[in-house]
Amino acid sequence: QQQVKQSPQSLIVQKGGISIINCAYENTAFDYFPWYQQFPGKGPALLIAIRPDVSEKKEGRFTISFNKSAKQFSLHIMDSQPGDSATYFCAASSRRGATNKLIFGTGTLLAVQP
Amino acid sequence: DSGVTQTPKHLITATGQRVTLRCSPRSGDLSVYWYQQSLDQGLQFLIQYYNGEERAKGNILERFSAQQFPDLHSELNLSSLELGDSALYFCASSASGESGNTIYFGEGSWLTVV
Repeated sequence: QQQVKQSPQSLIVQKGGISIINCAYENTAFDYFPWYQQFPGKGPALLIAIRPDVSEKKEGRFTISFNKSAKQFSLHIMDSQPGDSATYFCAASSRRGATNKLIFGTGTLLAVQP
Repeated sequence: DSGVTQTPKHLITATGQRVTLRCSPRSGDLSVYWYQQSLDQGLQFLIQYYNGEERAKGNILERFSAQQFPDLHSELNLSSLELGDSALYFCASSASGESGNTIYFGEGSWLTVV
């Protein structure tokens, strides 16, 4: 119940295309859903996050779509650029237990071809 | 630069040995987290401290221990090392320990056990 399932494992997109990464969860106590971007040799960095009281959040070319009833959320990268090539992780945390620990998905390796 | 500092960046050690990984959180952050990243297990939450007290525990082996000191820096001690402990260990920090608080990751400590 603590898992966050992420797909696809890898993704190749042409420059200018749309990259879509999906995540699903079971634990209804999760109330915070961030996406992290990780470049080789670096730590994960927060990209964008959403709370379950909204269905969509957009920041520049990055959009999170959230479906509370289906317990799914996705990251859309519009106009994908070669510089977006990285590993993307979805994550979730729960207010219960007074902890902010993040449960991460397994990651998606995105390659944007020029 | 996330502001989270980890040392050492790389270390190679033999099986059965003990190592200590050190982390300085972002200035003002009270909560520290440790994560393990490996190819087969992804990003696994190990443990969280908040202002010196253990807040949450994840999949941390009994051979591993951690603490957060009064100056808020943290150390992760790994003992009786096995080949399977080879991984990238991340420290992260956040201002508070509550869900939704942005978590910032360091660049990690690469541990190779030979």
